[in-house]
Amino acid sequence: DTAVSQTPKYLVTQMGNDKSIKCEQNLGHDTMYWYKQDSKKFLKIMFSYNNKELIINETVPNRFSPKSPDKAHLNLHINSLELGDSAVYFCASSQGEANYGYTFGSGTRLTVV
Amino acid sequence: GNSVTQMEGPVTLSEEAFLTINCTYTATGYPSLFWYVQYPGEGLQLLLKATKADDKGSNKGFEATYRKETTSFHLEKGSVQVSDSAVYFCALRINTGRRALTFGSGTRLQVQP
Repeated sequence: DTAVSQTPKYLVTQMGNDKSIKCEQNLGHDTMYWYKQDSKKFLKIMFSYNNKELIINETVPNRFSPKSPDKAHLNLHINSLELGDSAVYFCASSQGEANYGYTFGSGTRLTVV
Repeated sequence: GNSVTQMEGPVTLSEEAFLTINCTYTATGYPSLFWYVQYPGEGLQLLLKATKADDKGSNKGFEATYRKETTSFHLEKGSVQVSDSAVYFCALRINTGRRALTFGSGTRLQVQP
């Protein structure tokens, strides 16, 4: 079983559309994250939820809205997509103290045309 | 704030060469340190970690030692293989407060046969 699964793996869409990316983890972790990886491979935290509560909300356009229906799921909805939103989006989860690492999903490559 | 600085890549080596990828950090608290690896088209995988000063993390022939006096966590491997070709990310996570990983910019390693 995949520990952290994201869908879809690839997403090509036109400017102005609204799209969602889904993430699920079956590890029983209490915290989930969304990271954005740009074309130069730089990773930037976007959001984090702990037990369904938003705990990190970085400087991200409000077109991006995370939703966590339960602690095993964290979805990312993006409104009015722009060319600059093209990137790879990674979901991750973690549990417990800071000396544990994250488990990452395999990423969703979003291309806005 | 917290930040991680890695040497720029790409690093190109011949098979069986010695590898060092430098990583230094600044942190407002006491961090745990990590190295992640990203193979082409995949998500990030935890390679090794260290949670306190002078700890050495090791995995798959890779090693890194947590040096508090020089705020460094350099990655080393004695003999690289073609299969080690990937992007390597150094990261830190503060042990209190928000629990998001802060990543360096990544270093691409290319190993030639």
